[in-house]
Amino acid sequence: SQTIHQWPATLVQPVGSPLSLECTVEGTSNPNLYWYRQAAGRGLQLLFYSVGIGQISSEVPQNLSASRPQDRQFILSSKKLLLSDSGFYLCAWSTGAHEKLFFGSGTQLSVL
Amino acid sequence: GENVEQHPSTLSVQEGDSAVIKCTYSDSASNYFPWYKQELGKRPQLIIDIRSNVGEKKDQRIAVTLNKTAKHFSLHITETQPEDSAVYFCAASRGNTPLVFGKGTRLSVIA
Repeated sequence: SQTIHQWPATLVQPVGSPLSLECTVEGTSNPNLYWYRQAAGRGLQLLFYSVGIGQISSEVPQNLSASRPQDRQFILSSKKLLLSDSGFYLCAWSTGAHEKLFFGSGTQLSVL
Repeated sequence: GENVEQHPSTLSVQEGDSAVIKCTYSDSASNYFPWYKQELGKRPQLIIDIRSNVGEKKDQRIAVTLNKTAKHFSLHITETQPEDSAVYFCAASRGNTPLVFGKGTRLSVIA
């Protein structure tokens, strides 16, 4: 069966520090991969998605970037975090069409 | 692009009553409509979905209805229980672009 791993679960970082969040999927090939952000009590904002290795689509201009170095690995990065980057970050995957999404357990990021 | 509006933003019901959450979408080419439930601090989880060739789908106490002409779909929860308390998100997709989510409805079931 397919599983998605996302880490870390919580992260506290100072303003201006770098960020690297990693997500891996097991049990499937060539998944679509997504990064979402959820501010406290708010909706799901799509940040990036990827339909294949090296293919990244950015939905929102910001100081974040994403990379997909391997088929089932998706990384979210920042060179310098801002206070506004705080939130709950969710990785997700789907197969084929952009339909049934399965989310990782999320990373609660606090930028202080 | 697609735009999904979701109402109400908050909903309180007595245990045992029904709850209805409504969404409208703008892209007539959208053909897939899922609903996700997110408990506090947890990941969103798919609870039910419907495709545009179907008008209604049921799964125990949960049902979704779709009106393609009016471009709206609804989630119905009957005999609500305290464990139904969560944030519910609707979404829409035409398949070749990522899901577009509504802003969510916080459902509170009062015992």
